[in-house]
Amino acid sequence: DQQVKQNSPSLSVQEGRISILNCDYTNSMFDYFLWYKKYPAEGPTFLISISSIKDKNEDGRFTVFLNKSAKHLSLHIVPSQPGDSAVYFCAASARIQGAQKLVFGQGTRLTINP
Amino acid sequence: DVKVTQSSRYLVKRTGEKVFLECVQDMDHENMFWYRQDPGLGLRLIYFSYDVKMKEKGDIPEGYSVSREKKERFSLILESASTNQTSMYLCASSSKPTGTGRDGYTFGSGTRLTVV
Repeated sequence: DQQVKQNSPSLSVQEGRISILNCDYTNSMFDYFLWYKKYPAEGPTFLISISSIKDKNEDGRFTVFLNKSAKHLSLHIVPSQPGDSAVYFCAASARIQGAQKLVFGQGTRLTINP
Repeated sequence: DVKVTQSSRYLVKRTGEKVFLECVQDMDHENMFWYRQDPGLGLRLIYFSYDVKMKEKGDIPEGYSVSREKKERFSLILESASTNQTSMYLCASSSKPTGTGRDGYTFGSGTRLTVV
């Protein structure tokens, strides 16, 4: 039962253009949503988060949008740079089975082409 | 620079062996987690701990156990390694249970375990 889904395994974008990564979730009890970035042979690094009471959070080139009615969030990267090429994981937090935990999506591999 | 250190980057073990994966953090975080990462499945939580000597099962605890004798160290134990436990194992820590806000979780670099 995948509570957090990233339906696009990969995405290819031209350098300088906008990258949009999508994530869907099923559990309405999630209270925070986060994005992590992972390079090969490294652990994921925290990128940006958003509270469930907000619909947008911006940090430099990165913006996360939350649509609660659609149970959908997206990460926008603009302008995209070659160093953005990585796997991006969407994550959501909630109290599940008595404990506060993060649930991760499957990941989307983003490739920025020069 | 804060760190989560996993003792091995690559490990090859035989089926049936008992395997120990070690994780140490230097941030005085209360919370520590073990995940495995598999293609198409993302990160799945194996076990977590909110305090010393405390442990909770995650989503896929079967075949694993953990130990947290000291605050900074969280060990993952494969009681009898099997080929389906070949995976990337990631340790993480946080000062809050959810890793929310600017902190997030801090992950180690991972241990690529191959069971033959």
